Amino acid sequence: GAGVSQTPSNKVTEKGKYVELRCDPISGHTALYWYRQSLGQGPEFLIYFQGTGAADDSGLPNDRFFAVRPEGSVSTLKIQRTERGDSAVYLCASSYQRGSTDTQYFGPGTRLTVL
Amino acid sequence: LAKTTQPISMDSYEGQEVNITCSHNNIATNDYITWYQQFPSQGPRFIIQGYKTKVTNEVASLFIPADRKSSTLSLPRVSLSDTAVYYCLVGEGYGGATNKLIFGTGTLLAVQP
Repeated sequence: GAGVSQTPSNKVTEKGKYVELRCDPISGHTALYWYRQSLGQGPEFLIYFQGTGAADDSGLPNDRFFAVRPEGSVSTLKIQRTERGDSAVYLCASSYQRGSTDTQYFGPGTRLTVL
Repeated sequence: LAKTTQPISMDSYEGQEVNITCSHNNIATNDYITWYQQFPSQGPRFIIQGYKTKVTNEVASLFIPADRKSSTLSLPRVSLSDTAVYYCLVGEGYGGATNKLIFGTGTLLAVQP
């Protein structure tokens, strides 16, 4: 079946611009996660949705970052006034959230480059 | 959330068994141990998860001693396509209160022909 998809695969923007990154989770998955991965590092948690609500946004670095999931499916990560330090691969993952051995399935990521 | 320590890199040859050990000295009673694999330009992929003793699936085995302060991922007869970064994670399983995955820097496994 279809996995997690993310668009665009690459995004180049200029410092100060606004960007939106989209995640389509696996159908039926109620939980959705955003992570950020810098070169040579492991993914870093940003935010977790259970259904439409953000259950844990403790990883968002500052108020320039915001994410929504209005219908409990597709999610959009929004970054305002981008800075060069925001350059990274942004990963989305989803899971069923049915039990203690639930697995997170990751998408291929969006590579964001801020010039 | 327990901190994990694993080697930065490992080298192997095709056909060999590879064992990657992870230390997690402050693992909590409710914590599970999970390993993910990541290829370049892809998201991490779940390999295996365990709580104690030994877990085996079609791709790997996970060995966990009685004190649970370390764990070893075993990859039998690796091939070139197993070249990837391997992450050891410790947390409250996927039904736990935190849900988020905490990744370290991982182990880069390089398999040579």
